[in-house]
Amino acid sequence: DTGVSQNPRHKITKRGQNVTFRCDPISEHNRLYWYRQTLGQGPEFLTYFQNEAQLEKSRLLSDRFSAERPKGSFSTLEIQRTEQGDSAMYLCASSPRNTEAFFGQGTRLTVV
Amino acid sequence: TQLLEQSPQFLSIQEGENLTVYCNSSSVFSSLQWYRQEPGEGPVLLVTVVTGGEVKKLKRLTFQFGDARKDSSLHITAAQPGDTGLYLCAGARRRGSTLGRLYFGRGTQLTVWP
Repeated sequence: DTGVSQNPRHKITKRGQNVTFRCDPISEHNRLYWYRQTLGQGPEFLTYFQNEAQLEKSRLLSDRFSAERPKGSFSTLEIQRTEQGDSAMYLCASSPRNTEAFFGQGTRLTVV
Repeated sequence: TQLLEQSPQFLSIQEGENLTVYCNSSSVFSSLQWYRQEPGEGPVLLVTVVTGGEVKKLKRLTFQFGDARKDSSLHITAAQPGDTGLYLCAGARRRGSTLGRLYFGRGTQLTVWP
């Protein structure tokens, strides 16, 4: 039984570079979520998908951020022209039904 | 603005003591989840409560959902060093029959000393 898988676990990038993260949800979970967490805060919602459709995007998701889930399975989150304020833990979660979400281990992004 | 307020933000206690963490809101939630998070890892789901007044027990942990579904509490009996971690509450507002976004509190950092 595999959980939500996120890659890479850690990413260090220079300011201005683009980065892409991948999330593989639990098999047959049709809902997939992206959250961002900074030190001392709870996770903040970014966006979610039901199958391949992106149903909601947070105002936190600026035009430098884009997320896709092309075949309704794995998802990618891309950040273009990274800024130091983008440094955070990026968390992916998936859900099979209406009450529970299961999180991956996260991708820690550091922008230098 | 934080939809869910957690208190206390930090808690440092000795092994064997009891503690309660609170999660409060002025909004109604269809369900509320509690997670525990270790440094550098993702949150791990502990429990989901869905019915007002519901009480769930998980070994030494007792979770309660308020009657009005606006608040919740987590009580730990006889805390152990292994309970150390960040405890997060998260509320859901159901959209149709599937889970929408979760609204998280800032978390309670619990440290249990041997």
